Parts: sequence; structure tokens; C-alpha cells
Amino acid sequence: QVQLQESGPGLVKPSETLSLTCAVSGGSINSSNWWSWVRQPPGKGLEWIGEIYPSGNTNYKPSLKSRVSMSVDRSKNQFSLKLTSVTAADTAVYYCARASVGSFYMDVWGKGTTVTVSS
Amino acid sequence: QSALTQPASVSGSPGQSITIFCTGTSSDVGGYNYVSWYLQHPDKAPKLMIYDVTNRPSGVSNRFSGSKSGNTASLTISGLQAEDEANYYCSSYTSSGTLVFGGGTKLSVL
Repeated sequence: QVQLQESGPGLVKPSETLSLTCAVSGGSINSSNWWSWVRQPPGKGLEWIGEIYPSGNTNYKPSLKSRVSMSVDRSKNQFSLKLTSVTAADTAVYYCARASVGSFYMDVWGKGTTVTVSS
Repeated sequence: QSALTQPASVSGSPGQSITIFCTGTSSDVGGYNYVSWYLQHPDKAPKLMIYDVTNRPSGVSNRFSGSKSGNTASLTISGLQAEDEANYYCSSYTSSGTLVFGGGTKLSVL
């Protein structure tokens, strides 16, 4: 079955760009799915960041839209998240997840990766 | 886009039933049958428990059930077990074409 694995730097300096990648295994990123990012600050709840379709179509959380971008690399079967101008408030566990086309829920999740914003 | 409203905590004894409520607006919970529920144990990834208000994914116990009335969705867990102790999050599609989560509810099995 499909598995997801996040990777990227665990420490990012304030004002810099957070970059994460989610590798898809056991299936193709070109399948009819939306590929999502969700984050969870320490001790807090889940926050939906956005999603990308293999064609490149995206949906982002309005309050993050100016700082977020997502992309798909079909050749590597992976998708990515970039978040610019980070602050301490962006410190969180970042999860990647899959949502099937026509559905509005995430049925496959990565294990998550912790990103700390600190100088 | 405000977070959906959930109680911070609920509790129950083994064997009992509990219900967690998730309140939104007509622009999210009330406007679409696209409410989902997730269980999250500490330091683990969320797990889908209910989707499209009432549907259970394959492998999820039928002790878990979902419903909706107006702008409020609910998750009911019957026959509480110790392993049900976790944080639960609701989520809904919104009129903006995005998803929004609830603040989460900590379930304690006493």
C-alpha cells in the first residue's frame, strides 16, 4: 500500500525558507490523488496547510497563502512544501498526507517530521 | 477561516459510550457532508476514523460512528476501551475549497 515519508532540515533560521519533501512509495504520485501538508505546533492541534494535484493545481490555507508554495516531482515520485519568511510560530511537526480526488479527507499519512525555527 | 469548535476534553469509563461534538458554520460543517474524524495517539500520525460524516474506512471498528445535525457533527465511541484514549480531531471541507480542523478533544478512559 501507499506509504509517505517526509524529509528535510530539522532546524531553520528565522526569516529563512522551510523546505520539506514527501516521498511516495507503493504507488504513483500521478494517481488521482491530492497530496497534502498538515502541521502541528508543539502541544497544539492540527492545521491544514494546503494540497497539490499532480497537474500542479493547488489549494492553500488563506492565511498562509502568501508564504506557501507546493510542487510535484513526477520523476522522483515526490512532492514538496516551501514556506518562506518563517518565524518561531512555524515550529511544528509537519505531516504529508494523501486525499483521493473527489474526497475531502486524508487516508494515508506520513509519520511526520519536526521542524524547529530558531537562530 | 476559523477552526472548528471541539470540547477540550471528554472522559468515560470502559464499556461506556461518549460523544464528541464538532461545531462549525454553514460554510463548512453545515454546508457539506464532508466531515471527517481523526484519532491521534501521542507522538503518532493521525489516523482516519470517519469520513463523509458517517463512513468508516476498512479496518476501523464499528464502535466508532459519526453523524451531523445542522452545523454540528459528532463522533460517538461505544464500548469504550483503554486503547481509545487519544486526541480526536474533526475536519471539514469549506466553501473556500479548503479544509479546516477542529481544535482537538482529548479523550480519557478512566
